Amino acid sequence: EADIYQTPRYLVIGTGKKITLECSQTMGHDKMYWYQQDPGMELHLIHYSYGVNSTEKGDLSSESTVSRIRTEHFPLTLESARPSHTSQYLCASSAPTPGLNTEAFFGQGTRLTVV
Amino acid sequence: RKEVEQDPGPFNVPEGATVAFNCTYSNSASQSFFWYRQDCRKEPKLLMSVYSSGNEDGRFTAQLNRASQYISLLIRDSKLSDSATYLCVVNKKRSQGNLIFGKGTKLSVKP
Repeated sequence: EADIYQTPRYLVIGTGKKITLECSQTMGHDKMYWYQQDPGMELHLIHYSYGVNSTEKGDLSSESTVSRIRTEHFPLTLESARPSHTSQYLCASSAPTPGLNTEAFFGQGTRLTVV
Repeated sequence: RKEVEQDPGPFNVPEGATVAFNCTYSNSASQSFFWYRQDCRKEPKLLMSVYSSGNEDGRFTAQLNRASQYISLLIRDSKLSDSATYLCVVNKKRSQGNLIFGKGTKLSVKP
């Protein structure tokens, strides 16, 4: 089993609230990702990080922000939640191994509902 | 054109059937390829990497055709527990870069 954890698993929150989704991994992986997935739809990369103090936006535009102050921690923040942010958010990490395909390990996800 | 395209299915097959999933990718510079499995309302998990020479893991066989930019997954003697969504994943670089996920093909194996 992968050692990557997300909290909370489920979150129902009112419009306008600030929320932070937590993601931590104990594998020492440099690379971390946030994906957004609606039910029955594909995963979309919204943020990634190559290491501490490195963050980049992904392929799908998102109003969320991320930070990477410690290797093991990659939280995602929404300053003002809206119903359009309702989705599942999946965190992942990987450790590039030269010459080998790099597998990504996923957390169990946070299912966010904004009412 | 999407970077990774898959037949969305669903594929409804009886137990014991052989089923094949196809996937095409648009970026000829892609260097690493995977099949992931995602159960309903769960996170994706790696099923197998796909290597140029093709590779097999028990009932699962993956093939790569770089000239056609095409990846396949064959499942033999399908089990009820194989029911899931199968995601085709590519990466432009082998050990760096970002994984690009296909939309997935849903498989339902019936008794």
